[in-house]
Amino acid sequence: QKEVEQDPGPLSVPEGAIVSLNCTYSNSAFQYFMWYRQYSRKGPELLMYTYSSGNKEDGRFTAQVDKSSKYISLFIRDSQPSDSATYLCAMSNNRDDKIIFGKGTRLHILP
Amino acid sequence: NAGVTQTPKFRVLKTGQSMTLLCAQDMNHEYMYWYRQDPGMGLRLIHYSVGEGTTAKGEVPDGYNVSRLKKQNFLLGLESAAPSQTSVYFCASSSDRGTRREKLFFGSGTQLSVL
Repeated sequence: QKEVEQDPGPLSVPEGAIVSLNCTYSNSAFQYFMWYRQYSRKGPELLMYTYSSGNKEDGRFTAQVDKSSKYISLFIRDSQPSDSATYLCAMSNNRDDKIIFGKGTRLHILP
Repeated sequence: NAGVTQTPKFRVLKTGQSMTLLCAQDMNHEYMYWYRQDPGMGLRLIHYSVGEGTTAKGEVPDGYNVSRLKKQNFLLGLESAAPSQTSVYFCASSSDRGTRREKLFFGSGTQLSVL
């Protein structure tokens, strides 16, 4: 079992819909949880960062972490065509310096 | 601001050839990483460095070597390229100060094809 599992999609939703993206993980030592967004032919860029469990909101984006279930989510409200990209979850712990990524989910927002 | 710069952007190699990918960052970051990205596989960590003169293995280190002789540069070497190393390679850097370590700044990638 990979340390981080993420459905690769693609996921297609109409403009204005709420998008839910998810990752599961197996390593209970993970404490830092990130979401990166990657546009085609570009490097990833950090979108959201969360420490331990709980929610974090930034504009139309909300990140949730449930450590008891080893499950993290990213919600996008009022989705826009410009949100079309690949979204990668990433995780790390305090014990080493590795940051491990999920496979990424390709998201298409249909106008 | 240049940020993280990777060279070259594209390269085609024949099996058995060697090459070096260069990553340079101008943000004075301590941490630097090399990832490869393949369809359906996501980003996989090859090697990383937590400071000048240090390197460590990631998830998929076999067939690659790295060096961090200067703080701003992180080199990835392929001694004998194989078709399985065809991929897009991304370099990233981050600060070691508190939670900034998890904020990676990525370069624009190097598309490598090994024939």
